[in-house]
Amino acid sequence: GAVVSQHPSRVICKSGTSVKIECRSLDFQATTMFWYRQFPKQSLMLMATSNEGSKATYEQGVEKDKFLINHASLTLSTLTVTSAHPEDSSFYICSYRDPLGAFFGQGTRLTVV
Amino acid sequence: GQQLNQSPQSMFIQEGEDVSMNCTSSSIFNTWLWYKQEPGEGPVLLIALYKAGELTSNGRLTAQFGITRKDSFLNISASIPSDVGIYFCAGLRFGNEKLTFGTGTRLTIIP
Repeated sequence: GAVVSQHPSRVICKSGTSVKIECRSLDFQATTMFWYRQFPKQSLMLMATSNEGSKATYEQGVEKDKFLINHASLTLSTLTVTSAHPEDSSFYICSYRDPLGAFFGQGTRLTVV
Repeated sequence: GQQLNQSPQSMFIQEGEDVSMNCTSSSIFNTWLWYKQEPGEGPVLLIALYKAGELTSNGRLTAQFGITRKDSFLNISASIPSDVGIYFCAGLRFGNEKLTFGTGTRLTIIP
């Protein structure tokens, strides 16, 4: 299956700053990338679907101006949490699909202080 | 969004015991996926099922795609300490790239 590399694994930032999370497909080119958010002891919740070369599609209730997604190439998608606040602290995970299934990055633990 | 009903929510078992968990839905899925997630990590794909009735093994893990296409089961035989984690099921439908996740089963092994 596809190998997905996500960075950073952990980040602590001050309230009001922005944080960029990168997700790379190392052995698979994908036109679509999925971004999830996971709160403690909960399942993964889809935030948005990013499409290479076009605008991302956001799930209901997810602020597109808050969570900026860029999918500039077939192997790289980025999620930027803008003007982060403590309530944005969470575990963010990217995912690629291939014909065999869905493969996830290692996740990024964001803590906003 | 929709979530699959996964049970049990948590399990406390002794090393060496077998484990069974299941995932049910009110609607049909065409692919069932089972994942394991450890603390601070992303989910890792364990088994993928593509056909109703399919039974697939991966080492000590065995999963089945229900005949009705509305459920799936995961069994772990002779559990070991490294089996500890949260297990998620996920479903896919034709024409829809989005995964629908189960609520998760947290497995704890009692020494």
